[in-house]
Amino acid sequence: DIHMTQNSVSLSAFIGDKVTITCWASQDISRYLGWYQQKQGQSPKFLMYYASNLLSVVPSRFSGSGSGTENSLTITGIQPEDAATYFCQQCYSYLFTFGSGTKLEIK
Amino acid sequence: EVQLVESGGGLVQPGRSLKLSCAASGFTFSNYYMAWVRQAPTKGLEWVASITNSGGSTYYRDSVKGRFTISRDNAKSTLYLQMDSLRSEDTATYYCTRRGGYSGDWFAYWGQGTLVTVSS
Repeated sequence: DIHMTQNSVSLSAFIGDKVTITCWASQDISRYLGWYQQKQGQSPKFLMYYASNLLSVVPSRFSGSGSGTENSLTITGIQPEDAATYFCQQCYSYLFTFGSGTKLEIK
Repeated sequence: EVQLVESGGGLVQPGRSLKLSCAASGFTFSNYYMAWVRQAPTKGLEWVASITNSGGSTYYRDSVKGRFTISRDNAKSTLYLQMDSLRSEDTATYYCTRRGGYSGDWFAYWGQGTLVTVSS
């Protein structure tokens, strides 16, 4: 199985800050990387696919980058509603796997 | 609007069975791959099983292979997960998910989830 590792269990940021959440894969996943946002008590929401393709309904302050084994989700100009846990997911291998999640707290 | 509504969760003893259902609406069900993803309490997300749009192929994570069966009824727009020989480690909220309109196996739409608790 491809193991996905997220660099932080939790992050804190002020409104307006820029934060980056990094996700590493145990092997090259060739940008087959997606990001999800899960707010407290809610189902996950799909944000981005192929590492940097933002869904049209997702605010442009979200962006993604990466290749090979390292990918990142960046939020530029954090808003209160961005408080959530963010998960990465690979679909390079059919045994789909997720990162363990990074909880973003807004100070 | 895409809607996925799970049902069938509950408290079950170890070794027993449970069948989850997911009623889909707002799209042509038979056109899309579907999957179940679970989340243990306060834990991360874990893919469980997937099924192609026709139901002709199914895929499972190793820990549920031989115990869980994913299936679908395209005439009823319903996805199922038959869970046998349940273990305490199967305790989780189970989400029904649909692939997106983008190429690639992304979990683009999620239901609200149904909680399965395996305990004596």
